[in-house]
Amino acid sequence: NAGVMQNPRHLVRRRGQEARLRCSPMKGHSHVYWYRQLPEEGLKFMVYLQKENIIDESGMPKERFSAEFPKEGPSILRIQQVVRGDSAAYFCASSRTGDRTGELFFGEGSRLTVL
Amino acid sequence: RKEVEQDPGPFNVPEGATVAFNCTYSNSASQSFFWYRQDCRKEPKLLMSVYSSGNEDGRFTAQLNRASQYISLLIRDSKLSDSATYLCVASGAGNTPLVFGKGTRLSVIA
Repeated sequence: NAGVMQNPRHLVRRRGQEARLRCSPMKGHSHVYWYRQLPEEGLKFMVYLQKENIIDESGMPKERFSAEFPKEGPSILRIQQVVRGDSAAYFCASSRTGDRTGELFFGEGSRLTVL
Repeated sequence: RKEVEQDPGPFNVPEGATVAFNCTYSNSASQSFFWYRQDCRKEPKLLMSVYSSGNEDGRFTAQLNRASQYISLLIRDSKLSDSATYLCVASGAGNTPLVFGKGTRLSVIA
């Protein structure tokens, strides 16, 4: 499968635990975006990364959330000390270019449930 | 005012009907526009880009009115498989990321 791969597809955490979501972009893509989708809400931009660099994190909450895209391996979105409000679908997307005007290819999403 | 606004629907239409979705965007500096389709509990997928001159892809026609900051999507001869949520998308100003509307839900009924 040459598409954007996300795992886990479903993740259940208790309040206060940590959640780690992984994303491998499409082959040949070096630009990764994370979006969050709450029930009955639209996709909200969180962060845009290139290999080893955070380009735009204007949509990331100031606390508990972090993202990385190391030289080797997938991009990781990390949520520390999760709260019920973090329950959402987290979508990763990749693109070949970083001009933000081209097509984004989305993964199937990681659905986080916080108990 | 939300950056990208859409009528949430749902639009319930019979097979074969023509249905139109509208969308407005607030950022006059937006340069690129798209319609994405999202099936229930699935990821969004690009349906088509929207060009100033208007563009057509089979049964789908997209139009852009920059003066009114308005985008439309027309679906002719609706199929059951067209049932989905349609997301209107606009680029932000400068290098800011794509902004998605909340989506318009379409149900095509046999």
